[in-house]
Amino acid sequence: DTEVTQTPKHLVMGMTNKKSLKCEQHMGHRAMYWYKQKAKKPPELMFVYSYEKLSINESVPSRFSPECPNSSLLNLHLHALQPEDSALYLCASSQPGNSPLHFGNGTRLTVT
Amino acid sequence: QQPVQSPQAVILREGEDAVINCSSSKALYSVHWYRQKHGEAPVFLMILLKGGEQKGHEKISASFNEKKQQSSLYLTASQLSYSGTYFCGTGASGGSNYKLTFGKGTLLTVNP
Repeated sequence: DTEVTQTPKHLVMGMTNKKSLKCEQHMGHRAMYWYKQKAKKPPELMFVYSYEKLSINESVPSRFSPECPNSSLLNLHLHALQPEDSALYLCASSQPGNSPLHFGNGTRLTVT
Repeated sequence: QQPVQSPQAVILREGEDAVINCSSSKALYSVHWYRQKHGEAPVFLMILLKGGEQKGHEKISASFNEKKQQSSLYLTASQLSYSGTYFCGTGASGGSNYKLTFGKGTLLTVNP
């Protein structure tokens, strides 16, 4: 069982919808990440939060809006997505610095 | 900059050995290795830091040669459970793993 929990597991949304992806970890990690993974491709970094502050935004379109309400929770708010945004969205956490990433099982998003 | 992995795919019979390589055109501070099974989250295997040290995880070990800017993952006496896609991740010089960039992956298939 993964120690990083993501909900929902699957999400289908229209291009005009607003939805949110949620991620929770209870390992005491102070760095949390959002990655996007297309089929047969490596995970691509989107955002990094360190001590609940956004530290890295990899030039992600504004239709993706991250939020870190506290050290255990990470959200990704979605609005006006495009079909090409369909992918597996992975959340990960780690201790700050050069530490292993612990991934959640991901949310498989389909934009219709 | 994305590290280069080779080979792209390898097929083994149970009990055979394999080597997966990861190289970078930029100076490396550390290399992470992850395995992702189909439909699952990537799972951390090991981190290697500059110094040429070799680490082990079950029958999987790895080396890191910072002069050659490359790392190799060694899988000995492969088991069916080793099947999956292996990703190396490289961090920028400076020690932060926040911007871990993954290679394209190596698909390993172990057959009975």
